[in-house]
Amino acid sequence: DAGVIQSPRHEVTEMGQEVTLRCKPISGHDYLFWYRQTMMRGLELLIYFNNNVPIDDSGMPEDRFSAKMPNASFSTLKIQPSEPRDSAVYFCASSFRTGRGYTFGSGTRLTVV
Amino acid sequence: GENVEQHPSTLSVQEGDSAVIKCTYSDSASNYFPWYKQELGKGPQLIIDIRSNVGEKKDQRIAVTLNKTAKHFSLHITETQPEDSAVYFCAASKEGSGGSNYKLTFGKGTLLTVNP
Repeated sequence: DAGVIQSPRHEVTEMGQEVTLRCKPISGHDYLFWYRQTMMRGLELLIYFNNNVPIDDSGMPEDRFSAKMPNASFSTLKIQPSEPRDSAVYFCASSFRTGRGYTFGSGTRLTVV
Repeated sequence: GENVEQHPSTLSVQEGDSAVIKCTYSDSASNYFPWYKQELGKGPQLIIDIRSNVGEKKDQRIAVTLNKTAKHFSLHITETQPEDSAVYFCAASKEGSGGSNYKLTFGKGTLLTVNP
């Protein structure tokens, strides 16, 4: 298996622009998680899905953030409009139902200027 | 919700020495405690995990201990090597059964540097 695949690896955008991050989970995993990593706040859970259904989005910082999972093999995290404080590394992870731990993707480094 | 504290934030050791990283958690219902290693430019990778029904688990040079009463768990790395240099994260969650969902709460991480 190729693991969790995220794209793009790097994204530089101007403040106010829309940004879409993409994730392909490991085939057969039924949980998908979006995390944000910054030096100040560490790894923060933004939202997670079970069987394509959003379960907990309490970590989504503002209405500017939205996430979708239209099918078992694809998820997106969208920020609109983007702001400089959104600059961070965004990770997607997937897992089996329980007990198997997460497998993380390589992340998307987002810079908003 | 769950809160995980991790110490130290940075740790520097000489090659061959042991390294210990400690974490505490707040929710007594948490029962699953994984450790992740993150190398520069990569996502965190699971290196070892422990469940609350055991007190210790070993995998070659890596071991994890759990004290449920005190609500703390530790990562021990023996005979450290330069390639052990990375950021290490502890985490905690409440595993359910029969399809219950769960999410991991992470500590802030420990930057381990192994000096040759």
